[in-house]
Amino acid sequence: DIQMTQSPSSLSASVGDRVTITCRASQSISNYLNWYQQKPGKAPKLLIYAASSLQSGVPSRFSGSGSGTDFTLTISSLQPEDFATYYCQQTYSSRITFGQGSRLEIK
Amino acid sequence: EVQLLESGGGLVQPGGSLRLSCAASGFTFSSYAMSWVRQAPGKGLEWVSSISGSGGSTYHADSVKGRFTISRETSKNTVYLQMNSLGAEDTAVYYCAKAGTSGTYYKNYFDPWGQGTLVTVSS
Repeated sequence: DIQMTQSPSSLSASVGDRVTITCRASQSISNYLNWYQQKPGKAPKLLIYAASSLQSGVPSRFSGSGSGTDFTLTISSLQPEDFATYYCQQTYSSRITFGQGSRLEIK
Repeated sequence: EVQLLESGGGLVQPGGSLRLSCAASGFTFSSYAMSWVRQAPGKGLEWVSSISGSGGSTYHADSVKGRFTISRETSKNTVYLQMNSLGAEDTAVYYCAKAGTSGTYYKNYFDPWGQGTLVTVSS
């Protein structure tokens, strides 16, 4: 299976900060990389698909980049509602895998 | 508006069985692959199973292969997950999710997700 490794696993930041989360695949996955946001007790919500396409309705402060094995999710200016856990997901392989998650907390 | 509503979760004894349902609305059900993803308490997301729009192709993670079966019933706009030989490691919230675009579930994305249903395996 393709292993997805996110870093950092947790981070603290303040409202207004710029934050970057990285996701590395154990082999090339082209651009078949998606990002989800999950808040406690809620279902995951799609933010970015195909590495860099912003899902409809998602604020433009979220952006994604990368291809091959290295990807990033950037939040340009953190808002209070952005404190959550973020997961990357590869769908290049039929055996879909997720990163372990990156928990974003308020500093 | 696309809606997915899971049901069927609950407490089951080790070795037991359970069938989860996911009722879909707001889209042409037969045109989209559907998937189940689970999340153990305090843990990350794990893909479990997927089924093509026609229902002719199914896929399961190794951790559930031979024990879980995904199926769909177009007349009811519902996807199912039959879970047999359950163990403590299957305790999780189970989410159903729709493929973002028509076609395969992989090389795609999951959107939206249902609210989830909790399965607890314990004696």
